[in-house]
Amino acid sequence: AQKITQTQPGMFVQEKEAVTLDCTYDTSDPSYGLFWYKQPSSGEMIFLIYQGSYDQQNATEGRYSLNFQKARKSANLVISASQLGDSAMYFCAMREGTNFGNEKLTFGTGTRLTIIP
Amino acid sequence: NAGVTQTPKFRILKIGQSMTLQCTQDMNHNYMYWYRQDPGMGLKLIYYSVGAGITDKGEVPNGYNVSRSTTEDFPLRLELAAPSQTSVYFCASSPFGGRFASRRETQYFGPGTRLLVL
Repeated sequence: AQKITQTQPGMFVQEKEAVTLDCTYDTSDPSYGLFWYKQPSSGEMIFLIYQGSYDQQNATEGRYSLNFQKARKSANLVISASQLGDSAMYFCAMREGTNFGNEKLTFGTGTRLTIIP
Repeated sequence: NAGVTQTPKFRILKIGQSMTLQCTQDMNHNYMYWYRQDPGMGLKLIYYSVGAGITDKGEVPNGYNVSRSTTEDFPLRLELAAPSQTSVYFCASSPFGGRFASRRETQYFGPGTRLLVL
């Protein structure tokens, strides 16, 4: 079973509109972290936002917020007031705390977001 | 701090050749990782290290080897390159892992090495 599922291969959004990128995850570990990364056409991985499994509130970082629904195992990224520079690939990733030292990020397949002027 | 640096940025290999992808971090992080990203896909873990002298396999280790003689360096060795190893390779580092997984600290990625095997 996929640990991270991103069901939207591509999205087109009008500039200045809000956009939600979907991410569902699968883990039996009570301790985990969820991350969103942006990968522009230049290729680097840019960290956007983090949500811990024990965090009581949804994470926010500027125009980025994370709609964390723990019971549904979803961690959707919301970008408010989209800008042309938001056009990129977006990856959801999970880090599980199963064993000390046995730690990695598991990535979804990504969503390519295109902002239309 | 330079963060995580990778060399080379781009390389073309012939089938059967070998090469080493270099990765260095100056943040004194214990955890280091190698990922590969195939076109249109997410990243997959090749190898990781939790400290100098300690390495372990990730999801897709076949055809690769690593070593970690210092905290700073984590080179990835490709032996007998194959077309299936055409990919973009990312090195990353992190100060935490495992049972500290709920902590906010993210992994810091290098700029990537684009490898083409012909």
